[in-house]
Amino acid sequence: DAGVIQSPRHEVTEMGQEVTLRCKPISGHDYLFWYRQTMMRGLELLIYFNNNVPIDDSGMPEDRFSAKMPNASFSTLKIQPSEPRDSAVYFCASSPDSPNSGNTIYFGEGSWLTVV
Amino acid sequence: GENVEQHPSTLSVQEGDSAVIKCTYSDSASNYFPWYKQELGKRPQLIIDIRSNVGEKKDQRIAVTLNKTAKHFSLHITETQPEDSAVYFCAVHNYGQNFVFGPGTRLSVLP
Repeated sequence: DAGVIQSPRHEVTEMGQEVTLRCKPISGHDYLFWYRQTMMRGLELLIYFNNNVPIDDSGMPEDRFSAKMPNASFSTLKIQPSEPRDSAVYFCASSPDSPNSGNTIYFGEGSWLTVV
Repeated sequence: GENVEQHPSTLSVQEGDSAVIKCTYSDSASNYFPWYKQELGKRPQLIIDIRSNVGEKKDQRIAVTLNKTAKHFSLHITETQPEDSAVYFCAVHNYGQNFVFGPGTRLSVLP
């Protein structure tokens, strides 16, 4: 399996522009997570989906952030309008079903976002 | 909700020495405890994990110990090598809930 695939790997954009980050989870994984990583705040969970349904979006910082999962193999995280403080690495991760089995999560390579 | 703390935040050891990182959590119902290693510019990757019904697990130079009563678990790295230098994250998982990550420990192995 190719693992969790994210795009773009790097993006530099101007403040106020819309940013769309994309993720393809590992085939067969029913859970998909979006994390943000910064030096100051570490790894923060933004939102996660189970079977394409958003379960917990309490980590989404503001209304400028939105996430969708239209099918089992694709998810997007959108920031509109973007601000310099959104600069971070955004990781998508996926996990198999049955969390009581202690299945771990697998991270993508990350999308490095810089908003200038 | 679950509160995960990790100590120390930074750790420097001489090559060949051992390193120990401790993670504490608050929810006694948590049942799965993985450790992730993140090298500079890379993604976090699982290096070892332990479930609540096990007290210790080893994989070559890496081991994890769990004390469920005290609600803490530790990562042990023996015979450290320069390539062990990275940020290490613990995580805690509770059935039906989400993973909560610790703030990370930056390990430097000095040659």
